[in-house]
Amino acid sequence: DTEVTQTPKHLVMGMTNKKSLKCEQHMGHRAMYWYKQKAKKPPELMFVYSYEKLSINESVPSRFSPECPNSSLLNLHLHALQPEDSALYLCASSQGPGTSGRVGTYNEQFFGPGTRLTVL
Amino acid sequence: QKEVEQDPGPLSVPEGAIVSLNCTYSNSAFQYFMWYRQYSRKGPELLMYTYSSGNKEDGRFTAQVDKSSKYISLFIRDSQPSDSATYLCAMTLSILTGGGNKLTFGTGTQLKVEL
Repeated sequence: DTEVTQTPKHLVMGMTNKKSLKCEQHMGHRAMYWYKQKAKKPPELMFVYSYEKLSINESVPSRFSPECPNSSLLNLHLHALQPEDSALYLCASSQGPGTSGRVGTYNEQFFGPGTRLTVL
Repeated sequence: QKEVEQDPGPLSVPEGAIVSLNCTYSNSAFQYFMWYRQYSRKGPELLMYTYSSGNKEDGRFTAQVDKSSKYISLFIRDSQPSDSATYLCAMTLSILTGGGNKLTFGTGTQLKVEL
């Protein structure tokens, strides 16, 4: 199973709503990522979790709150978003550090299909 | 100046053509160079990666890295309509000891292969 699943596929929310995005993988990967992608732009890294601990936060506003309840699940909690936060939110996973152990081996990031978020 | 530059296209070619996609970068510390393909409304999928300089071939796809020029390329031979997608180059430093790896993406080139 080389699949990363994301739910929901589409989400429309108001600026006062609280919602959550979910991501799941069963590849035994120990690194998981959230990206934001605007139309015709590349993915922008938001957060990285490694072994269920937050290892990178790319100065993301606090209205985005990530959570990694276990090694297979990654959530992104959304609160008081702005219309400019409307985008495709991508989750990815890869093997954690040290699992390949060999220089020159890239731990491929597997991406999910994304959640298309619209903030009204 | 962006760390990674990529011609956004769109690029339109006839079926069977050879396609050349390119990226330039400014950070000489990048060591891993990837090409991702993204179909409309889907997540990116890895096509190929290269470590350091050199060439790598996989079927109709060839990736080249020239670290001295800070230039990478992806060639697609005998292009097919199914190759129509956005192609993103991506780069990363050595594997982070803290966890995961941080990719720096190019802006993506939109490719259309026409019958």
